[in-house]
Amino acid sequence: DIQMTQSPSSLSASVGDRVTITCRASQSVTSYVYWYQQKPGKAPKLLIYAASSLQSGVPSRFSGSGYGTFFTLTISSLQPEDCATYYCHQSHSGPRTFGQGTKLEIK
Amino acid sequence: EVQLLESGGGLVQPGGSLRLSCAASGVTFSSYAMSWVRLAPGKGLEWVSGISGSGDSTYYADSLKGRFAISRDNSKNTLYLQINSLRAEDTAMYYCAKESGATIFSSAMDVWGQGTTVTVSS
Repeated sequence: DIQMTQSPSSLSASVGDRVTITCRASQSVTSYVYWYQQKPGKAPKLLIYAASSLQSGVPSRFSGSGYGTFFTLTISSLQPEDCATYYCHQSHSGPRTFGQGTKLEIK
Repeated sequence: EVQLLESGGGLVQPGGSLRLSCAASGVTFSSYAMSWVRLAPGKGLEWVSGISGSGDSTYYADSLKGRFAISRDNSKNTLYLQINSLRAEDTAMYYCAKESGATIFSSAMDVWGQGTTVTVSS
């Protein structure tokens, strides 16, 4: 199985901060990496597909980058509503796997 | 607008069975693969199973093979997940998700249902 390792597992930042979450795959997944946001009691929401494409309706402060085994999700200017858990996910090959999640809190 | 509505969750004793359903609307259902994902208390998201748009190909997380069975009825726009020999560790919110393509690979889960809760306890 392909392991997706996210870091950090949690972080606390202030409104307006630039925040970066990283995800490393145990083998190449080319660009088949996706980022999801999940708030408590809600379904996950797709933010980024194919490593760097912004899903329709997602604010432009979210961006993704990477290829192969290393990927990042960046929030350029943190907003209060960004308080959530973020997951990377690969659909390159089976079984599909998620990172362990990054819990983002607002200071 | 695409909508997914899960049902079938509940409280079940260890060793029991459940069949979860996911009814889709606003989409040409057979054109898209579908997946199930779960979130256990205090844990992260776990991909459970996926099925191609035609239903010909099915896939499972390695740890769940044998107890879980995914299927779909394209005439009813409905996805199913049969879970047998339920264990306490299967307690979770189960979400169905629409894939962006006809297969589960090279694809994003772009629309999600609100989930159905499965609790396994005596």
